Amino acid sequence: DTEVTQTPKHLVMGMTNKKSLKCEQHMGHRAMYWYKQKAKKPPELMFVYSYEKLSINESVPSRFSPECPNSSLLNLHLHALQPEDSALYLCASSPGGPLNTEAFFGQGTRLTVV
Amino acid sequence: GENVEQHPSTLSVQEGDSAVIKCTYSDSASNYFPWYKQELGKGPQLIIDIRSNVGEKKDQRIAVTLNKTAKHFSLHITETQPEDSAVYFCAAISGAGSYQLTFGKGTKLSVIP
Repeated sequence: DTEVTQTPKHLVMGMTNKKSLKCEQHMGHRAMYWYKQKAKKPPELMFVYSYEKLSINESVPSRFSPECPNSSLLNLHLHALQPEDSALYLCASSPGGPLNTEAFFGQGTRLTVV
Repeated sequence: GENVEQHPSTLSVQEGDSAVIKCTYSDSASNYFPWYKQELGKGPQLIIDIRSNVGEKKDQRIAVTLNKTAKHFSLHITETQPEDSAVYFCAAISGAGSYQLTFGKGTKLSVIP
């Protein structure tokens, strides 16, 4: 089973709203990621959690706030977003460790900011 | 940091023909090279990968080759089928212990029935 589950699949939010994206995996992976993907572009790394600790933050604006409640769950809290933040948000996981780098992606949350 | 170049950006082939997508990378410390297939409206799917201690890997109709000296790697799809139509991304991870995938810009493959 190489499944990463993301909810919701689609989200429309206003610029004053607060919402959260959720990601879950039950593969025992210890590294989890958030990526942002704009149309016709490759995924861009936002955050990496390794063993439930934030290890990489790619200079992401503070209106995006990640949270890793446990080794299976990853959240992305959103507030005061801008229309240019509209994109496909992808969660991924990998086993963890220097030789276990196979990353598996979820289906993404299509976010529209109005 | 790592830089990955991918060519071509679009590729059209007749069903049954082969398709080849090429990538080059800049960091000689890179040691892991996955390929992802992304269909419209879906997340990227890992289809094959190769590590720097291997020159070639094959899985049914898909193969990947790696030339460490030249710092390039390629995806080969044989006997293409319409369901192979998608965007393909190559990627590289630089160095042991890194979690940071650097992606190429993608190749849109169209298989014409």
